[in-house]
Amino acid sequence: DQQVKQNSPSLSVQEGRISILNCDYTNSMFDYFLWYKKYPAEGPTFLISISSIKDKNEDGRFTVFLNKSAKHLSLHIVPSQPGDSAVYFCATRAGNQFYFGTGTSLTVIP
Amino acid sequence: KAGVTQTPRYLIKTRGQQVTLSCSPISGHRSVSWYQQTPGQGLQFLFEYFSETQRNKGNFPGRFSGRQFSNSRSEMNVSTLELGDSALYLCASSLPTGSGGEQYFGPGTRLTVT
Repeated sequence: DQQVKQNSPSLSVQEGRISILNCDYTNSMFDYFLWYKKYPAEGPTFLISISSIKDKNEDGRFTVFLNKSAKHLSLHIVPSQPGDSAVYFCATRAGNQFYFGTGTSLTVIP
Repeated sequence: KAGVTQTPRYLIKTRGQQVTLSCSPISGHRSVSWYQQTPGQGLQFLFEYFSETQRNKGNFPGRFSGRQFSNSRSEMNVSTLELGDSALYLCASSLPTGSGGEQYFGPGTRLTVT
């Protein structure tokens, strides 16, 4: 049973515009939410995270929003750059265990 | 600091064989987790070790096992390989969860079962 879902397998965005990646989860016990970026032939790299007690966290061009009532997480990238083209995974944590979504492949078109 | 290293990077095995993959975490990280990545399935959690003890286990058959050594290095073993075990196996290390718990991943081991 997939506890974390990324319903969009792919997304294409023009360079300079906003990229919005979405993630839904089912378990209200998750206390930490993270986004990872993955390039081909490399392991995922940590991007940004948010605690369940917050609803927004910003780091440069990256902002993560958490809507606990809707059990929804989103990542905004503004402005998008060609180097942002990668697969993005959302992840949630309950205790010592992490749950990952299936990933969204982002393509930023120059 | 050196990152998480995994060996080997690529492996080809035949059905029925067994395989052992190795992971060296970032220095000072005592938690090591293993994941299986297949197309369309994302990262599926296998197990997590902390101080040589398995703390969590995902929903995988008993053919998948692991262990952690006193220096935090970890190995995972898959016995009686099946074609469906072909995947990218990722290892991740992290600090104790109280620090936020973001994980640092190695490049993975690409296992192909023929």
